[in-house]
Amino acid sequence: DTGVSQDPRHKITKRGQNVTFRCDPISEHNRLYWYRQTLGQGPEFLTYFQNEAQLEKSRLLSDRFSAERPKGSFSTLEIQRTEQGDSAMYLCASSLDRLGLTDTQYFGPGTRLTVL
Amino acid sequence: AQKITQTQPGMFVQEKEAVTLDCTYDTSDQSYGLFWYKQPSSGEMIFLIYQGSYDEQNATEGRYSLNFQKARKSANLVISASQLGDSAMYFCAMREGTDTGGFKTIFGAGTRLFVKA
Repeated sequence: DTGVSQDPRHKITKRGQNVTFRCDPISEHNRLYWYRQTLGQGPEFLTYFQNEAQLEKSRLLSDRFSAERPKGSFSTLEIQRTEQGDSAMYLCASSLDRLGLTDTQYFGPGTRLTVL
Repeated sequence: AQKITQTQPGMFVQEKEAVTLDCTYDTSDQSYGLFWYKQPSSGEMIFLIYQGSYDEQNATEGRYSLNFQKARKSANLVISASQLGDSAMYFCAMREGTDTGGFKTIFGAGTRLFVKA
């Protein structure tokens, strides 16, 4: 059973650099989500895709953040000109859309970003 | 206003006893979903249980049950017969529609559960 995978698991970068994270969802899942989680907080929604279409994007997602899911399978999240405030765990989740609100999201292990 | 409120930052429970983790939510939607996730120290979010806003029965999954009180907008998680492995952070989450016709899931701040031997 292959769950959601994320790469890399850890990333340390210097302020101002660009970083890109990858998420591979569970193979038959058509929805993919990105969240950000800071220490002691719950995950904050960033964006989600249904197949290759990006359907919702949080206002938290500044112009420095961009996400793609070009073929409706894996997704990438890029952060340009990183800032120290971007340091967080970036979580990816996937789900199989059944009845909209009821689809259960399954999470990957996350990518921990540290911006120095 | 907080959409999901978990008022207990930390809870202790004796092994083999039951524990209730509180969650209240705020929405004006009629149709929404409520979820509980567990996050052990390893960091991975593990789905536990789901309750739909139209479900009349409280959801149960093994030792987990969700005490859904719609009028009070509460969705408390009950863990029966606590085990040492239940020590973790627990997040309540709500999924609702957005103005653009999509969906969004909002998480609470979490409750850290400590199970004592």
